[in-house]
Amino acid sequence: GEDVEQSLFLSVREGDSSVINCTYTDSSSTYLYWYKQEPGAGLQLLTYIFSNMDMKQDQRLTVLLNKKDKHLSLRIADTQTGDSAIYFCAPRGRRALTFGSGTRLQVQP
Amino acid sequence: DVKVTQSSRYLVKRTGEKVFLECVQDMDHENMFWYRQDPGLGLRLIYFSYDVKMKEKGDIPEGYSVSREKKERFSLILESASTNQTSMYLCASSSTGELFFGEGSRLTVL
Repeated sequence: GEDVEQSLFLSVREGDSSVINCTYTDSSSTYLYWYKQEPGAGLQLLTYIFSNMDMKQDQRLTVLLNKKDKHLSLRIADTQTGDSAIYFCAPRGRRALTFGSGTRLQVQP
Repeated sequence: DVKVTQSSRYLVKRTGEKVFLECVQDMDHENMFWYRQDPGLGLRLIYFSYDVKMKEKGDIPEGYSVSREKKERFSLILESASTNQTSMYLCASSSTGELFFGEGSRLTVL
């Protein structure tokens, strides 16, 4: 099955940019999603990118996709304390979404 | 807005008990999913369903079963709970791709 890898922890200062990286193994993934989970809550969709795109920008969020290297990244510009959460990368495979371990983003004031 | 409702936010059960986790969605989605979430492991797919009375095993189905008698309801069953099933359980539904999640059910098995 699909393997999805993310680093477990990232700490940044308020106002800096955050970059969360993800690698995956299934080259047939059509859509690749980023979800956010705040403490005590379920997952909410942040953004997604279709596999034929290299980049997608949505306000403070930029998603970059390198299909050749099977590498996905999420950049958050001007990171705020409200961005502190766990971020999951989730490529869509044949059956369902496969989730990475999640990256816990800590934003220092 | 899509709403996925999980019946219990917190449950405490004893080893060997039968446990039912209920999930209801209100958007007429065909697809429903059960994941478990553990620290450092992310979300792992237990079972999913593409239609009423239809079910397919995910990556970690052992020790679990599911029921989908109505389109809006997808139940996860632990026939005989064990301590290694202590976890956060997340239900999700979808129509075409994006998953909509419930708030989760945190199960502790003593």
